Amino acid sequence: ILNVEQSPQSLHVQEGDSTNFTCSFPSSNFYALHWYRWETAKSPEALFVMTLNGDEKKKGRISATLNTKEGYSYLYIKGSQPEDSATYLCALFMNNNAGNMLTFGGGTRLMVKP
Amino acid sequence: NAGVTQTPKFQVLKTGQSMTLQCAQDMNHNSMYWYRQDPGMGLRLIYYSASEGTTDKGEVPNGYNVSRLNKREFSLRLESAAPSQTSVYFCASSEARTSGLTDTQYFGPGTRLTVL
Repeated sequence: ILNVEQSPQSLHVQEGDSTNFTCSFPSSNFYALHWYRWETAKSPEALFVMTLNGDEKKKGRISATLNTKEGYSYLYIKGSQPEDSATYLCALFMNNNAGNMLTFGGGTRLMVKP
Repeated sequence: NAGVTQTPKFQVLKTGQSMTLQCAQDMNHNSMYWYRQDPGMGLRLIYYSASEGTTDKGEVPNGYNVSRLNKREFSLRLESAAPSQTSVYFCASSEARTSGLTDTQYFGPGTRLTVL
């Protein structure tokens, strides 16, 4: 089974701090990488889908980069706000033993203190 | 649009009991998925249905069955529940216009299941 690793597992920052976290994955047979934002007591919501090496995506204060050759993606949040508090999930779309599907990492839980 | 809906929201079962988790989507999506989420682990795919009339095993299918009743509905059945199936279950759907690799998945609110 494919391993999608996210680090750190959790992160506490002060309001206004900028932060970033990592999604690592085996670089072979890469198809696409998804980022989701998951607020407590809600459902995961899609942030970005990236497919090309060097891809950069931006949505407001949140941006993501992709390096398929070395097998990682970074998610950046500029000027964190309390409403950014959530678990951020990355998921790799590729073929594992069961077929073509999304394999999720364990998530990075971000807590932003006012 | 309601998006993806799931019932029930909470359920407690005794070991050996059976139940069906219901999922429906009103976005005319082709593909639907069932995941489970356990502490310290990511979402793990149980079963999926790439299109109406098809179902396939995911990463952790043992102990579960599914039915793609029509394009809108995709149910997950536990025939004989076990404590190891205590989890939060999420249903999701995606448009799946092409190969599916860039398709955003839309998630339901989840069902919290406890098996005693």
